[in-house]
Amino acid sequence: EADIYQTPRYLVIGTGKKITLECSQTMGHDKMYWYQQDPGMELHLIHYSYGVNSTEKGDLSSESTVSRIRTEHFPLTLESARPSHTSQYLCASSTGTTYGYTFGSGTRLTVV
Amino acid sequence: GIQVEQSPPDLILQEGANSTLRCNFSDSVNNLQWFHQNPWGQLINLFYIPSGTKQNGRLSATTVATERYSLLYISSSQTTDSGVYFCAVDYNQGGKLIFGQGTELSVKP
Repeated sequence: EADIYQTPRYLVIGTGKKITLECSQTMGHDKMYWYQQDPGMELHLIHYSYGVNSTEKGDLSSESTVSRIRTEHFPLTLESARPSHTSQYLCASSTGTTYGYTFGSGTRLTVV
Repeated sequence: GIQVEQSPPDLILQEGANSTLRCNFSDSVNNLQWFHQNPWGQLINLFYIPSGTKQNGRLSATTVATERYSLLYISSSQTTDSGVYFCAVDYNQGGKLIFGQGTELSVKP
């Protein structure tokens, strides 16, 4: 079944630790995105990729980085986590300008 | 940049009631989508509707692009409809969505 997977679902980590949030999709979509969502708020785009070896920053400034070495895989990394990084991170993929925008279940990150 | 505003911010309904959610946007857009975020945080794509009207079961949506608004109709609401409804627009065809602040719907049994 075609889908988009995020791991871990929940993560509590100490300040200063390096973390990687995983995102994989089985739909063969070229376009992938990371959104950040604080509790009770709207989503903001922090990174996107239009294909392998293509990554760009989104509208919301973020200290995280991303990579796209394979079409299906779009991990997000925080080199040194801080409490201000506490949020939900949602990965998505799409077919492009038409229908087919799919979100993963998200990672709820808490930095203590 | 483009502004997306949703109303009302909160809505409480009795099961079986109907409702209309509104999304206004400040500039021309190429893509407008409605999403439902359930209480567990999962976002589900409801409609891709840059213009016109679509229906899917008890849900329907209408976008009037020339007047820069979209409406989401929920009929005969059920408790499982509870959650947050987001409108999102893509103004440059790159798939980069700008989200409204959402309408939080609570359907009581």
